[in-house]
Amino acid sequence: EVQLVESGGGLVQPGGSLRLSCAASGFTFSRDWMSWVRQAPGKGLEWVAKIKEDGSQKYYVDSVEGRFTISRDNGRNSLYLQMNSLRAEDTAVYYCAREVWWRFDNWGQGTLVTVSS
Amino acid sequence: QSALTQPASVSGSPGQTISISCAGTSSDIGTYDFVSWYQQHPGKVPKLIIYAVTDRPSGVPDRFSGSKSGNTASLTISGLRPEDESDYYCTSYRANNPHVIFGGGTKLTVL
Repeated sequence: EVQLVESGGGLVQPGGSLRLSCAASGFTFSRDWMSWVRQAPGKGLEWVAKIKEDGSQKYYVDSVEGRFTISRDNGRNSLYLQMNSLRAEDTAVYYCAREVWWRFDNWGQGTLVTVSS
Repeated sequence: QSALTQPASVSGSPGQTISISCAGTSSDIGTYDFVSWYQQHPGKVPKLIIYAVTDRPSGVPDRFSGSKSGNTASLTISGLRPEDESDYYCTSYRANNPHVIFGGGTKLTVL
């Protein structure tokens, strides 16, 4: 059974940093693209970033480009999202998701990031 | 990076059939058959219910079906049940970044 478990969310001040983690199990992590998808309170879903199986390609939504960095450690079956220069509009539940042929077939339970002073 | 366009809300009575549209462009839905649909109950994790326009993951009832015509995809739910009341999101692949775009979401109310 595929399991994705996020951690690292919390309350941070504007301009601050946070690092999210996602622990994967139940599948061969090193063979799949992985993504982060977020959902602001009461809003829709928004794709944030994705990373290729071997980490050689990374893509970001324009609004986080230059501030967020996605990475992975295939030896630890883990996905990360380093978030810097956080803004109020980054407040959201962040989901880790496995991406197969541009569909998200498995999701974690999400971790809440709140950016507020 | 425009989102795909979905109606904000749709409603139906138990047993009825409803459809939710997802309008894109020739750069996404109109060219690629990588349209997916997700169901999200309040406070819950999104769940994949349709992929590759028409395919259903194992365990998803055949009351849920997908289709596409031109630049618009549709999710159809037949034999509506109270537990179908949820938010539904479409996605599509597009060649330029972001490679996956979401629709704004549709709230389905089962009256």
